[in-house]
Amino acid sequence: EVQLVESGGGLVQPGRSLKLSCAASGFTFSDYNMAWVRQAPKKGLEWVATIIYDGSRTYYRDSVKGRFTISRDNAKSTLYLQMDSLRSEDTATYYCATHGGSFAYWGQGTLVTVSS
Amino acid sequence: DIQMTQSPSSMSASLGDRVTITCQASQDIGNNLIWFQQKPGKSPRRMIYYATNLANGVPSRFSGSRSGSDYSLTIISLESEDMADYHCLQYKQYPLTFGSGTKLEIK
Repeated sequence: EVQLVESGGGLVQPGRSLKLSCAASGFTFSDYNMAWVRQAPKKGLEWVATIIYDGSRTYYRDSVKGRFTISRDNAKSTLYLQMDSLRSEDTATYYCATHGGSFAYWGQGTLVTVSS
Repeated sequence: DIQMTQSPSSMSASLGDRVTITCQASQDIGNNLIWFQQKPGKSPRRMIYYATNLANGVPSRFSGSRSGSDYSLTIISLESEDMADYHCLQYKQYPLTFGSGTKLEIK
């Protein structure tokens, strides 16, 4: 059974950092491009970033470029999102998902709240 | 960036009704479109991929279609469990973009 389990969310002050993790199991993680998608409270879904299966390339939405870094450890089957210089508008539930395979699998999400 | 214009933003329908939700792409995306269902407090669930392909385990009352730059999700006979938010996603090019979502309620 495929499982994606996010962790690392919480309350953080504006300007501070947070690192999210997504532990994958039940499939060959190293074969899949992976993505982070977020959803602000009562809002729609928003793609954040994607990393290619071998970590060779990354893609970001403009509003997080230079502040967020997506990475992966294929030996640990884990996806990461390092979030720096956080802003109030980054407040959202963050989901990891399998970009490869057309977003078939999603984690349960982890809530990030940016507030003083 | 490719804009995905989703309509309606909300709708109310009766059990057994035929329901159609549409996303219009601002540029050519081929068939690189996915439909998701999302229930309150839950993660999105993939319903349709590559515009017209039914995902595993999705009831056959759901279908996806394309007419030019318009992509539609249709439920041919609405059931109570279909009450949810629905989102489209284009994955033709970066940045990937979602539609604004449709809230489907049961009358």
